[in-house]
Amino acid sequence: QKEVEQNSGPLSVPEGAIASLNCTYSDRGSQSFFWYRQYSGKSPELIMFIYSNGDKEDGRFTAQLNKASQYVSLLIRDSQPSDSATYLCAVEGNNRLAFGKGNQVVVIP
Amino acid sequence: EPEVTQTPSHQVTQMGQEVILRCVPISNHLYFYWYRQILGQKVEFLVSFYNNEISEKSEIFDDQFSVERPDGSNFTLKIRSTKLEDSAMYFCASSEQGLDVGQPQHFGDGTRLSIL
Repeated sequence: QKEVEQNSGPLSVPEGAIASLNCTYSDRGSQSFFWYRQYSGKSPELIMFIYSNGDKEDGRFTAQLNKASQYVSLLIRDSQPSDSATYLCAVEGNNRLAFGKGNQVVVIP
Repeated sequence: EPEVTQTPSHQVTQMGQEVILRCVPISNHLYFYWYRQILGQKVEFLVSFYNNEISEKSEIFDDQFSVERPDGSNFTLKIRSTKLEDSAMYFCASSEQGLDVGQPQHFGDGTRLSIL
């Protein structure tokens, strides 16, 4: 059973601050990693994907991957109220995605 | 921007009945997927489909479930003899290539299935 863990509880951040989300995974063979945003009652929306160790930046979002430690993280800079959502970490394995439970982010104006 | 479209948005069905959930993947995509999300729980993989056959399926995807690509555009999930625990959001997704080459999956808006 491939596990994807997102353990931290709801994250409250002031508007303009940095939100930091972490995810660990169990399958060392996984090659591709994805962050999705999910608003309540809506479908997952792709934010970023990463498959090389290091950082990948896209606008206000930065994904970080460390395959040796089996973790992937997401930084949201200059957080906006519209960033308030649940962020899902997803890991590829056998051509399927394994999702974590998600981290709820609340941006406080 | 091209989208994955799903119909219906909400399906209410009596327990024991059959339901068919429909999806139109993005037109140049070759890989198709179904996931489900029970309320308050994580998104779970059901099945992947490529070249007109199932390529992977989870332990959830038992004989009650089947998938089909009846024509060049639609991709359907059939659930026979529905049970109360089948109530969930069902998401269709598609990707241009397989996940193992780093291609992201794009999700439809989902079908909310309610079994009474």
